[in-house]
Amino acid sequence: DTAVSQTPKYLVTQMGNDKSIKCEQNLGHDTMYWYKQDSKKFLKIMFSYNNKELIINETVPNRFSPKSPDKAHLNLHINSLELGDSAVYFCASSRVGGASSYEQYFGPGTRLTVT
Amino acid sequence: TQLLEQSPQFLSIQEGENLTVYCNSSSVFSSLQWYRQEPGEGPVLLVTVVTGGEVKKLKRLTFQFGDARKDSSLHITAAQPGDTGLYLCAGAPRGGTASKLTFGTGTRLQVTL
Repeated sequence: DTAVSQTPKYLVTQMGNDKSIKCEQNLGHDTMYWYKQDSKKFLKIMFSYNNKELIINETVPNRFSPKSPDKAHLNLHINSLELGDSAVYFCASSRVGGASSYEQYFGPGTRLTVT
Repeated sequence: TQLLEQSPQFLSIQEGENLTVYCNSSSVFSSLQWYRQEPGEGPVLLVTVVTGGEVKKLKRLTFQFGDARKDSSLHITAAQPGDTGLYLCAGAPRGGTASKLTFGTGTRLQVTL
């Protein structure tokens, strides 16, 4: 059973296009996240949703728009893609409350290449 | 901005050797986690340490949280090729949003036969 899944695994597109990445978790968690990992493997949080409500919104261009239709899904839509958007994007989820709220479960990642 | 510096950045050792990875910050964290990431996959949680001075063991891996909760170390005994991967520490800020982790700069470990 896949705990956190993302689609697609790979995404190659041209500058200026709009694309979406989808994420689903079957762990029953209330909180979901989007992270960006750059070429140096630095992992940085972009957004976090708790039960469909946006709770973390880091300094991210407004071309990036997350959407959470329900607490098991968190999608990421990117408008007007730029070369600098090329990276691996990870979805993650965690519980709410207690020590386990620190523990995040990651998806396999989506490698986005903008040409 | 909280920053977690890991050292070394890269480590290439032979099977059977011991190694230690360090994770340092000038900030205090309420808890600290270690993850391992293999190529083409997402990070996988190894351990969470919460109390200053805490030591946790996971088979051949020993994790320690500094007394002041600003730093942590990961020691691997008798490394094996299966230990190869990117090791990431991540800290949860004191008084902040518990779920907002700051990830370290990463240590890439390669264990060869």
